[in-house]
Amino acid sequence: NAGVTQTPKFQVLKTGQSMTLQCAQDMNHEYMSWYRQDPGMGLRLIHYSVGAGITDQGEVPNGYNVSRSTTEDFPLRLLSAAPSQTSVYFCASSSPGGPRTGELFFGEGSRLTVL
Amino acid sequence: LAKTTQPISMDSYEGQEVNITCSHNNIATNDYITWYQQFPSQGPRFIIQGYKTKVTNEVASLFIPADRKSSTLSLPRVSLSDTAVYYCLGSPGSGSARQLTFGSGTQLTVLP
Repeated sequence: NAGVTQTPKFQVLKTGQSMTLQCAQDMNHEYMSWYRQDPGMGLRLIHYSVGAGITDQGEVPNGYNVSRSTTEDFPLRLLSAAPSQTSVYFCASSSPGGPRTGELFFGEGSRLTVL
Repeated sequence: LAKTTQPISMDSYEGQEVNITCSHNNIATNDYITWYQQFPSQGPRFIIQGYKTKVTNEVASLFIPADRKSSTLSLPRVSLSDTAVYYCLGSPGSGSARQLTFGSGTQLTVLP
C-alpha cells in the first residue's frame, strides 16, 4: 500500500516553462488536494477535488491548473512558471468518515525551484 | 469555511507538558477537530482527533469544551523529537467534503 505518491521530488525550471507535478493515491479516496508551503509558513491550499471530474479552487489557485479524470490521480500543472512559484508542493488525500474522520494523508512533497 | 487561530510559536523544555490551544469559532456542527504534526521536509501527519470532551491516545490528549469553539492539544513530557509545527483544522464528518484549509500552525521548540 503506497499511500500518496508524488513525482518528481525535485525540479528546477526556468521562468516561463511549464510542467506537471504528478500525484497518485491507492486508497480510493474521494478527496484530493494540492498545497504549497513556503519557508516558515503554513500550508496554503491551491486546488482540491471532491471526486473524479470535480475540481475547485483553494486559497492560491492563480498560475495552476488541475484535472481529475480518475479517482487515483490529481496532477497539478504550472502553466508558465514564475519565481514566486518556488515552493514545496504537497499532495494530500482523504475520505470523509472512516476510523479517523477525514484524515489527510500527505505525499512526501515536491520541491520546485523556478529560476 | 472554518478558520483556525493558533499561537505562532512556543518554547518548552524536555520533560514538561505542553498545551497548544486552537480557536475555531466557525467550526461546522459535523466537523471533527484534527491535529497534525509536521517535521521539516515532510508532509504533516495525523496526531489526534476528537469531536467533544477529551480524547487520549499514545502520544497526546485533546481537550474540547462543550461549545467547541476551541481545542487544546496536550503533549505530556515532551522530548527534543517533539520539535515540530502543529496544526489544527476541522475535518468533515461522513457524508460531506469540502476544502480543508490549514492555518499557520504553531512552531513548538523543545529545548534541552
